Amino acid sequence: SQQGEEDPQALSIQEGENATMNCSYKTSINNLQWYRQNSGRGLVHLILIRSNEREKHSGRLRVTLDTSKKSSSLLITASRAADTASYFCATDGSNYKLTFGKGTLLTVNP
Amino acid sequence: ETGVTQSPTHLIKTRGQQVTLRCSSQSGHNTVSWYQQALGQGPQFIFQYYREEENGRGNFPPRFSGLQFPNYSSELNVNALELDDSALYLCASSPWTSNTQYFGPGTRLTVL
Repeated sequence: SQQGEEDPQALSIQEGENATMNCSYKTSINNLQWYRQNSGRGLVHLILIRSNEREKHSGRLRVTLDTSKKSSSLLITASRAADTASYFCATDGSNYKLTFGKGTLLTVNP
Repeated sequence: ETGVTQSPTHLIKTRGQQVTLRCSSQSGHNTVSWYQQALGQGPQFIFQYYREEENGRGNFPPRFSGLQFPNYSSELNVNALELDDSALYLCASSPWTSNTQYFGPGTRLTVL
């Protein structure tokens, strides 16, 4: 079963614009992570935010976490065509598995 | 440092057959997890191996089984293949102490 649900399912923007993706989840978590997947290949880890953190930055990425609302957002600033990919949030309430949402397909148009 | 590798890249099987997928973990990683990703869906956790023992399993039937070897590489075996087993199978490795998993490129399995 899917733990997280990303919103929107698909997002199309112009190069240079910001992209915001949201994730909601159902149960308590230890951490929430965001991964990127290009064209149905392997996933690449982007950022991890712990349940006691509210915001985290990494380069052009900004992640927020609201445990009271069981939601997270991923902001990509100044997007590039190379950012075109599917983005997944994943929660790890236990120490051995990640539970992924269905993902947001981001298209950045040159 | 070598990343996670998987073989084969693509595989076509017929219903009822058996398949073995292979994964070499990243250097220094002693934990391997397997995921199934159907088209248009997020990855679904199959199971995890740590020190050659199964360390947690998702909602998959017993015909999905696995092995981990002393060098931390791993195999995923699926018996009695069904059409719904068609998917991208992803292997991920990590150190036991880390929540971050490092994924291989996947094996695309098609069951006809």
